[in-house]
Amino acid sequence: DAGITQSPRHKVTETGTPVTLRCHQTENHRYMYWYRQDPGHGLRLIHYSYGVKDTDKGEVSDGYSVSRSKTEDFLLTLESATSSQTSVYFCAISEDPYNSPLHFGNGTRLTVT
Amino acid sequence: TQLLEQSPQFLSIQEGENLTVYCNSSSVFSSLQWYRQEPGEGPVLLVTVVTGGEVKKLKRLTFQFGDARKDSSLHITAAQPGDTGLYLCAGGGDGGGTSYGKLTFGQGTILTVHP
Repeated sequence: DAGITQSPRHKVTETGTPVTLRCHQTENHRYMYWYRQDPGHGLRLIHYSYGVKDTDKGEVSDGYSVSRSKTEDFLLTLESATSSQTSVYFCAISEDPYNSPLHFGNGTRLTVT
Repeated sequence: TQLLEQSPQFLSIQEGENLTVYCNSSSVFSSLQWYRQEPGEGPVLLVTVVTGGEVKKLKRLTFQFGDARKDSSLHITAAQPGDTGLYLCAGGGDGGGTSYGKLTFGQGTILTVHP
């Protein structure tokens, strides 16, 4: 398995609180992604990174921010969590997205009460 | 915005039956990927198809990419209980420009194969 660790694996938080999810990789891959998975929607891209300090928005970026200060870590922050952000969050990495597949972590289940 | 419609959303069959899952879009994709996901884990890539009309086989699984690169299908022959899981199709790129590997996923098909 690709070396991807997501933390925490489960989190329950209250509406309005800030939350940060961490994705750590040991593969030295350039590309990293954050997706959310909800029933009936498959996976939707939140943000992605194509290098250190190089990030961009995905399809559902409102309410989320990201940071990548070093190759191995990609952080996803919910500045003020809302119930609509209850979801399972997946991090993915790729060495070369045009010639190699995405490798996904095992996800973080976030519940906002 | 590119969309992928995956059907059916749920499939419950008996061991030994055949099945087909469809993935359709009005948009062109540079590539189409199929993933399988187990509970509590992330999706795992099964196959990538990149050429219109391409057919790939993986044991009892057959994947096809439409000629116009807008649709794809996954056919499983003689399904087994071990095939149970969530199957996801995902389209990459739009046939031109830089996509940075961003994927558009279908809604997923939950397959249950009963012994």
